[in-house]
Amino acid sequence: GENVEQHPSTLSVQEGDSAVIKCTYSDSASNYFPWYKQELGKGPQLIIDIRSNVGEKKDQRIAVTLNKTAKHFSLHITETQPEDSAVYFCAADSNYQLIWGAGTKLIIKP
Amino acid sequence: EAQVTQNPRYLITVTGKKLTVTCSQNMNHEYMSWYRQDPGLGLRQIYYSMNVEVTDKGDVPEGYKVSRKEKRNFPLILESPSPNQTSLYFCASSPYLTGTQETQYFGPGTRLLVL
Repeated sequence: GENVEQHPSTLSVQEGDSAVIKCTYSDSASNYFPWYKQELGKGPQLIIDIRSNVGEKKDQRIAVTLNKTAKHFSLHITETQPEDSAVYFCAADSNYQLIWGAGTKLIIKP
Repeated sequence: EAQVTQNPRYLITVTGKKLTVTCSQNMNHEYMSWYRQDPGLGLRQIYYSMNVEVTDKGDVPEGYKVSRKEKRNFPLILESPSPNQTSLYFCASSPYLTGTQETQYFGPGTRLLVL
C-alpha cells in the first residue's frame, strides 16, 4: 500500500525566512497531494493541494511543487510569520483513502 | 455555519466499558471518515464511508466499529476499549465528487484516555 514519508519532523526558522517541508510517496497511482495545517487544539485544515497534472501551485506566501517521476512533493512557505507556527501534514490519495505523513512541527523564531 | 461536530471532546474510561463517539456534519457530504492521531505517526484512518450504508476499513480498524444510517452522522464505537486505544480521534467529511480528491473538513477532535 501507499507509504508517505515526511521530513523534517521539526523545523525552526527565523521570522521572515523561508521554510521547506518535503514528502515522498510510494504509490505511482496517487494523483492528489494536499497539505494540511494543524494548530494547537484544533483539527487539520487544508492550506493548499496539487493534482498530478500540475507541477507547481502558488497561493500568496505558500507554494507546493510536485515531481511525479521522483515521487516527491514539497511545501514552501516564504516570509514566515508567527501565525505560521503549527504542525503541517502532507498526504497522498490511494484507494479511496488519504495516506498521511507523520507531520512537521514548524517553529517561527522572533 | 458549515461544520463537523464531535462529542464528547474529552473522555476518560476504563478497559472494557463500551463507548460511542458521535460525529455529525451539516454540509450534506457523502464521504466521512475517522482518524486517530498519535505522536510521531500522523493521522491513520480507522474507517471511512462513501455514503449511507456504505462503510469500509481503513488502515487501523481493529477494535472499532462504525455505522452510517444517515448521511449526516457517522458514530465511532469502541465495544471493549483497551489502553492502546488511548489517542486523539478526528472525524472528517468531504463531498465525494472525485473520490478522496476533495478538501476534508475536520471536527475539533476527541481526546480519549483508556485506563
